[in-house]
Amino acid sequence: SQQGEEDPQALSIQEGENATMNCSYKTSINNLQWYRQNSGRGLVHLILIRSNEREKHSGRLRVTLDTSKKSSSLLITASRAADTASYFCATVPTGANSKLTFGKGITLSVRP
Amino acid sequence: DGGITQSPKYLFRKEGQNVTLSCEQNLNHDAMYWYRQDPGQGLRLIYYSQIVNDFQKGDIAEGYSVSREKKESFPLTVTSAQKNPTAFYLCASSTRFSGGAGELFFGEGSRLTVL
Repeated sequence: SQQGEEDPQALSIQEGENATMNCSYKTSINNLQWYRQNSGRGLVHLILIRSNEREKHSGRLRVTLDTSKKSSSLLITASRAADTASYFCATVPTGANSKLTFGKGITLSVRP
Repeated sequence: DGGITQSPKYLFRKEGQNVTLSCEQNLNHDAMYWYRQDPGQGLRLIYYSQIVNDFQKGDIAEGYSVSREKKESFPLTVTSAQKNPTAFYLCASSTRFSGGAGELFFGEGSRLTVL
């Protein structure tokens, strides 16, 4: 079952620009996570934001969470060609035995 | 170095054959997971295990089987009953079950192609 929906599906920017990716979800959550996947590789965890948090930073990454709108955004500042990858948001719904559910991902291309 | 090791990285199978994908972790994690990834579909949960000798079906368990005899190992068997097995398979682990908990650690994946 799909919980998170990322937007846009694909994004192409120039090196040095900022990249903003959005995720919307349908039900109440415990936390929301962002992952990165390079082509043909496994996923790597980037950042986790809990439902009682509004913003988190990690290096060039900034994540916001708006629980009233059921949405999150991932901002990558000063992008690099090495940031080219697919980015997934994943949510943990509230409730016992909830499972982490992934969206379909956003393909980010950073042009040198 | 701690991590998750999946093997083989590439696997070709004839129709009607069962194949087993290996997943080993040395992170001392209790929970382990198998996901399937198809182009444009994101990740779908096949099976998960919260503790040794226990596992539960995920969203798309039909045609798959697993075992969890050791904490470190969670092999996935793709049986001949799986109608469309060609996909990229990802194994993951976490300190405890993902509900309300932290991050998943992923292996590098196994790409299965049915000829």
